[in-house]
Amino acid sequence: DTGVSQNPRHKITKRGQNVTFRCDPISEHNRLYWYRQTLGQGPEFLTYFQNEAQLEKSRLLSDRFSAERPKGSFSTLEIQRTEQGDSAMYLCASSPLRSSYEQYFGPGTRLTVT
Amino acid sequence: DQQVKQNSPSLSVQEGRISILNCDYTNSMFDYFLWYKKYPAEGPTFLISISSIKDKNEDGRFTVFLNKSAKHLSLHIVPSQPGDSAVYFCAASENNFNKFYFGSGTKLNVKP
Repeated sequence: DTGVSQNPRHKITKRGQNVTFRCDPISEHNRLYWYRQTLGQGPEFLTYFQNEAQLEKSRLLSDRFSAERPKGSFSTLEIQRTEQGDSAMYLCASSPLRSSYEQYFGPGTRLTVT
Repeated sequence: DQQVKQNSPSLSVQEGRISILNCDYTNSMFDYFLWYKKYPAEGPTFLISISSIKDKNEDGRFTVFLNKSAKHLSLHIVPSQPGDSAVYFCAASENNFNKFYFGSGTKLNVKP
């Protein structure tokens, strides 16, 4: 068990570009969550997958954001036409169905939009 | 609309004393409450949880208290150790665990 991994750890992009982040959850964890965290704030929920199904999506998530979890394994979060306000830490977490409240977080991907 | 609030951005405590971190929530539908600890450059790590049917849960030096009528929970750390210095987040969820709401965090500094 190597924990939740996220790639890349850092991403600098210019406004208007598209970016994609990857999350590899702990194997056999059915639940996968994406969060966004800005300085001085707690993680803000973005979306939730149970296996390959996206069951919950924050209404704060604009149509520029899309997430996938093909085959219920790794997940990707794509941001199209990035804006400076998208600069944040993007966190991924996973949990098994049996103890669903205990989430295991990855180290995050820090996005800077210039 | 922040449903989970931590009103103290920071707390400083002497080693060996008690640390009390507080959290308030607004949604009466929340069934589970959790505390996470976060060190710099790492993701949050789960610390302790409590369900809405209990008012106290203890795990070693950590105890979480839940007051449903006041919509308030607190985390007690006794005795506090310098290694406890970190940012602590409280979080809450309804019983389907499809979505978690986090507070803004309290930075705890335990002085040797």
